[in-house]
Amino acid sequence: GDSVTQMEGPVTLSEEAFLTINCTYTATGYPSLFWYVQYPGEGLQLLLKATKADDKGSNKGFEATYRKETTSFHLEKGSVQVSDSAVYFCALSPPYGGSQGNLIFGKGTKLSVKP
Amino acid sequence: DAEITQSPRHKITETGRQVTLACHQTWNHNNMFWYRQDLGHGLRLIHYSYGVQDTNKGEVSDGYSVSRSNTEDLPLTLESAASSQTSVYFCASSFGGRAGELFFGEGSRLTVL
Repeated sequence: GDSVTQMEGPVTLSEEAFLTINCTYTATGYPSLFWYVQYPGEGLQLLLKATKADDKGSNKGFEATYRKETTSFHLEKGSVQVSDSAVYFCALSPPYGGSQGNLIFGKGTKLSVKP
Repeated sequence: DAEITQSPRHKITETGRQVTLACHQTWNHNNMFWYRQDLGHGLRLIHYSYGVQDTNKGEVSDGYSVSRSNTEDLPLTLESAASSQTSVYFCASSFGGRAGELFFGEGSRLTVL
């Protein structure tokens, strides 16, 4: 079945460091891909998304490119801040009919940024 | 502003008791979802609904039920709570479509003793 695999955490970085969180997926056809972020004590919120191959999603300095050839959607940010400390979830929306936004999530990667 | 709210935010109960977690959204979204979040498992889908009177089982539906009598609400019921159901529960909603954004509530932390 469809699945999402994220790199294991936690990830600890110093402020202004470069961030990469790896995400790969398994799916038939062309799913939509998402990154969600969960700040402490809150629900998840959409960070960025891409709906077709080679699309780049971006928001708040974060970017991710939909790579069909490597089935990947890695999250990157050039210079992290303490306020980016959170848990990041990669997710996919299956391409087959009837899914209507039913997302499949990875296990999450906890990021801690130190001053 | 439109929103999605869950209640209670925290609950402690005993094994065998019936528990209902409420979820209410004011976006008029067709789709509503219940997930549970556990360390090492991420988010797992419990039940979901694509509209009034429609309910579907997710990946981990055993021991849970939902009903959808109107657009705004999707209560989650644990018929006989078990310690394995200690978790954080998230409700979410979306308008629809496979590229649609999910909007999440703030979560309900349930402890079953």
